[in-house]
Amino acid sequence: QVQLVQSGAEVKKPGASVKVSCKASGYTFTSYVVHWVRQAPGQSLEWMGWINTGNGKAGYSRLFQDRVTITRDTSASTAYMELSSLRSEDTAVYFCARFSGTYWTCDYWGQGTLVTVSS
Amino acid sequence: DIVMTQSPDSLAVSLGERATINCKSSQSLLYSSNNNNYLAWYQQKPGQPPKLLIYWASTRESGVPDRFSGSGSGTDFTLTISSLQPEDVAVYYCQQCFSSPYTFGQGTKLEIK
Repeated sequence: QVQLVQSGAEVKKPGASVKVSCKASGYTFTSYVVHWVRQAPGQSLEWMGWINTGNGKAGYSRLFQDRVTITRDTSASTAYMELSSLRSEDTAVYFCARFSGTYWTCDYWGQGTLVTVSS
Repeated sequence: DIVMTQSPDSLAVSLGERATINCKSSQSLLYSSNNNNYLAWYQQKPGQPPKLLIYWASTRESGVPDRFSGSGSGTDFTLTISSLQPEDVAVYYCQQCFSSPYTFGQGTKLEIK
């Protein structure tokens, strides 16, 4: 069965960086794009970007363009999202999701990773 | 960027009654070459990731109960739950996947009256 398992919760200080991983199983990793979405406490979902796991090309929301980097390791079937220059407003749960190119939507999601930014 | 606006922000419906959630996009989500609307609906329960319910505005994801249905085209869309069950208490989001950034609505919180 398709699974996306994310790394554990993180606590970071303002100005630091965080790297969240998303390990895929149950399907061919390089056949699906992976998206990243975050959710601040009590807030809606905010789309951050994507990575083509086949060729490594990534695209980002302008809101995060300068601070986010999405990569992948095909040998580990894992996608990564790194966010730099963290501030308190970046405290959120970060989700990865598999994007179906057939149905053009996110069909499977990771469990989420809580990133807390606090001095 | 395409702005997605849901209404209402919250909704209380009696068990067995119909629940209707609306989603409006600032631009058409209809792709003329295949006549598909690039609009999805998700259900999110506390402490869980979103769960895909509907894609292409009206196609139910496998395993989703048939009391959930989606309709609409262009810029106006609706998620309907025909007979509310206790397990349907959640926040519901629409998302457009027509153009990047793939924006979400602000969410609609559905409760039991």
